[in-house]
Amino acid sequence: SYDLIQPPSVSVSPGQTASITCSGDKLGDKFVYWYQQKTGQSPVVVIYEDAERPSGIPERFSGSSSGNTATLTISGTQAMDEADYYCQAWDSRTVVFGGGTKLAVL
Amino acid sequence: EAKLVQSGAEVKKPGESLKISCKASEYTFTSSYVGWVRQMPGKGLEYMGIIWPGDSGIRYSPSFQGQVTISVDKSIKTAFLQWSSLKASDTAIYYCARLSPDTLVGTKRGRYFDTWGQGTLVTVSS
Repeated sequence: SYDLIQPPSVSVSPGQTASITCSGDKLGDKFVYWYQQKTGQSPVVVIYEDAERPSGIPERFSGSSSGNTATLTISGTQAMDEADYYCQAWDSRTVVFGGGTKLAVL
Repeated sequence: EAKLVQSGAEVKKPGESLKISCKASEYTFTSSYVGWVRQMPGKGLEYMGIIWPGDSGIRYSPSFQGQVTISVDKSIKTAFLQWSSLKASDTAIYYCARLSPDTLVGTKRGRYFDTWGQGTLVTVSS
């Protein structure tokens, strides 16, 4: 089975840049998606197809992917960005989620 | 805008059966996979499987094969997730979600859950 590895937690100060990584074998050969899940809410896609932002998602969210690593970057992080973030890929006709990263805005 | 509305929270005893639902609206139900995702308390998202409402074709994650049954009634645009004998370890929030169409650019391809239900909390306790 295909595995996606994320750091369990990332901390950032308000206004600074947060980077959350997602690693997988030849991940750059697949599209990567990022979901944000705030406490008590359903997940919401913030990045699709590596670097595309759905309508309504702030410009401070961006994504990149190359080699074995994809990165979600949040520029000028705000308190409202505190949430769990999950990367996801499609492999062997299956949805694969990373383990999730808790972003703390301190 | 596509919408998925799930049935309400359930409290069950070990050994009982359960069927939860996910009603779709504002899109062509038979033209997109619907999937189920488990989230155990304080844990991450786990993919359970998907169903094609057009012909009820199902793909289960190996982790959930034989543990649950995914089904659909296209006449009422509703997908279901059911258990025949619940365990305490089935306590979780269960989300249904719509799978996006297949995207292929060069050799890169992908699909993702573009629309999510609000989740159904299932509590199994004696």
